Amino acid sequence: DSGVTQTPKHLITATGQRVTLRCSPRSGDLSVYWYQQSLDQGLQFLIQYYNGEERAKGNILERFSAQQFPDLHSELNLSSLELGDSALYFCASSPTDSGGPTDTQYFGPGTRLTVL
Amino acid sequence: KNQVEQSPQSLIILEGKNCTLQCNYTVSPFSNLRWYKQDTGRGPVSLTIMTFSENTKSNGRYTATLDADTKQSSLHITASQLSDSASYICVVSLISYGNNRLAFGKGNQVVVIP
Repeated sequence: DSGVTQTPKHLITATGQRVTLRCSPRSGDLSVYWYQQSLDQGLQFLIQYYNGEERAKGNILERFSAQQFPDLHSELNLSSLELGDSALYFCASSPTDSGGPTDTQYFGPGTRLTVL
Repeated sequence: KNQVEQSPQSLIILEGKNCTLQCNYTVSPFSNLRWYKQDTGRGPVSLTIMTFSENTKSNGRYTATLDADTKQSSLHITASQLSDSASYICVVSLISYGNNRLAFGKGNQVVVIP
């Protein structure tokens, strides 16, 4: 158990809909990262928040948005869903935002999103 | 072309045997390189982290090597066990903030058979 929690574990929805994925980081960690993992693409970095502020942005679509709240939990909002958005979505947390060798990321169990 | 290439894409090995996974990267400037183990349906777990000045790092039966000059890393699994069946992901971290500071390989899928 990494100490990172994600809800829900599974989510099935239809095209065009909007969903919200939730992540609670490990106690004391200030950084939250979101990743998308599909079968043919591997892990794709989406976005990072540090202490409530956006820190780095990866391959995140405009239809997707995220935020980190004062209690440090984070939500990833996916809208106008398409079939291709079906994937595993992981959240990870780390103590700082340095990305340095001591700034290990701890991954949550993931949310499996299926868009029908 | 992906900035981090891993090979072989998949391999099957007998329990008790050794294997070596390769990671070649093109990104720079480079901060550190990590190897993660991901069991099917689970989140990745960090195995090793190396800075550009480190050549090798071990974690139990896992040993990672790094050649920053040739931009190559390898992960060696010694005396494989059935529980080693997983995907092993190479991740390169760049010295920069902002977009795309992390580059991921697609993983080496390892299956250990009895």
